[in-house]
Amino acid sequence: AAGVIQSPRHLIKEKRETATLKCYPIPRHDTVYWYQQGPGQDPQFLISFYEKMQSDKGSIPDRFSAQQFSDYHSELNMSSLELGDSALYFCASEPGGISYNEQFFGPGTRLTVL
Amino acid sequence: DAKTTQPNSMESNEEEPVHLPCNHSTISGTDYIHWYRQLPSQGPEYVIHGLTSNVNNRMASLAIAEDRKSSTLILHRATLRDAAVYYCILSNFGNEKLTFGTGTRLTIIP
Repeated sequence: AAGVIQSPRHLIKEKRETATLKCYPIPRHDTVYWYQQGPGQDPQFLISFYEKMQSDKGSIPDRFSAQQFSDYHSELNMSSLELGDSALYFCASEPGGISYNEQFFGPGTRLTVL
Repeated sequence: DAKTTQPNSMESNEEEPVHLPCNHSTISGTDYIHWYRQLPSQGPEYVIHGLTSNVNNRMASLAIAEDRKSSTLILHRATLRDAAVYYCILSNFGNEKLTFGTGTRLTIIP
């Protein structure tokens, strides 16, 4: 079965550079979530989108922005990178709708800021 | 969001049942109880969810206390592949972001 695809899987950047992380949800899933997991920490919710509109926002720095495109893929843009941004970034998708749906997580993008 | 409390770690022998507890004394009437797990070097994975009644699926069972202030995830026969961090999470329908706590790190002893 198709799964959530994230690219790139690994990314190394210097401080103050920018990074773009991409997420391709499972086909027919219209809702996307982004989570950040720092070293030795638990995942933290960043932002979510439903039908290409932002649906919720968590502890996402102002240096970060995200959007969901017409094909439902999503991109997380990160500017002025800091050492503390080094983390695993997970994307999750769900079908949405009127009943509860589980979130399906991708394998994550490991961002290292040097 | 209502908070959950879980033991930091638990150990279990392979092929034996495992009971993972979760306390959520401030749960609201519309909060669902979710369990996700995260295997080493992987993204979180859905295990099971429930509202009031006990639930069973191919992975596990969820036992919910009558007052809903606690729940227990039951793995009927643990295998080495069940070694993971297990998260008990509450969320409302319509506000389904997952707020991860510290979870329980489950170690399976061969």
